[in-house]
Amino acid sequence: SQTIHQWPATLVQPVGSPLSLECTVEGTSNPNLYWYRQAAGRGLQLLFYSVGIGQISSEVPQNLSASRPQDRQFILSSKKLLLSDSGFYLCAWRDRGPNQPQHFGDGTRLSIL
Amino acid sequence: AQKVTQAQTEISVVEKEDVTLDCVYETRDTTYYLFWYKQPPSGELVFLIRRNSFDEQNEISGRYSWNFQKSTSSFNFTITASQVVDSAVYFCALSELGYGGATNKLIFGTGTLLAVQP
Repeated sequence: SQTIHQWPATLVQPVGSPLSLECTVEGTSNPNLYWYRQAAGRGLQLLFYSVGIGQISSEVPQNLSASRPQDRQFILSSKKLLLSDSGFYLCAWRDRGPNQPQHFGDGTRLSIL
Repeated sequence: AQKVTQAQTEISVVEKEDVTLDCVYETRDTTYYLFWYKQPPSGELVFLIRRNSFDEQNEISGRYSWNFQKSTSSFNFTITASQVVDSAVYFCALSELGYGGATNKLIFGTGTLLAVQP
């Protein structure tokens, strides 16, 4: 069966420090991959999605970047974190096909001090 | 433009009450998909159900049921005999098909916080 792993679960970082959040999927191949941010107030904002290795689409201009170095690995990065980068970050995957649901990881709670 | 509206920000019920969570969507696509997700306090989003635009049959799964009405662009979710473990934020989502469905971005509503009191 397919599983998604996201780490770390929580992270406290100072302003201006770099960031690397990792997400890996097992049990499937060539999935679509997604990064979301959920700020306080619950709304889910799509940050990046990827339909293949090295293919990244950015949804909103921001201080973050994403990379997909391997088929089932999706990384969210920043060179210098801002206070506004605080939030709950969720990685998701889905199989190809128009009706396939997205499946989410457990999330990373990022606090910027 | 595609949009999902969950007008109920918070609902509080007492255990064993029935509760309906509303979801209204807007889309110009003739083929689309609707989803419900549950986000318990631990944070992960759990997939509950999907429905395609050609299937208006209502669905029941245990205490959960979903009412899809294309005429009113609604996809409401009912929990029968609610339990404390049902306390969570519930999200309705619409699938936007891009370039043959390759991207399948989900457009989420803002969620409804359901609190079930013992």
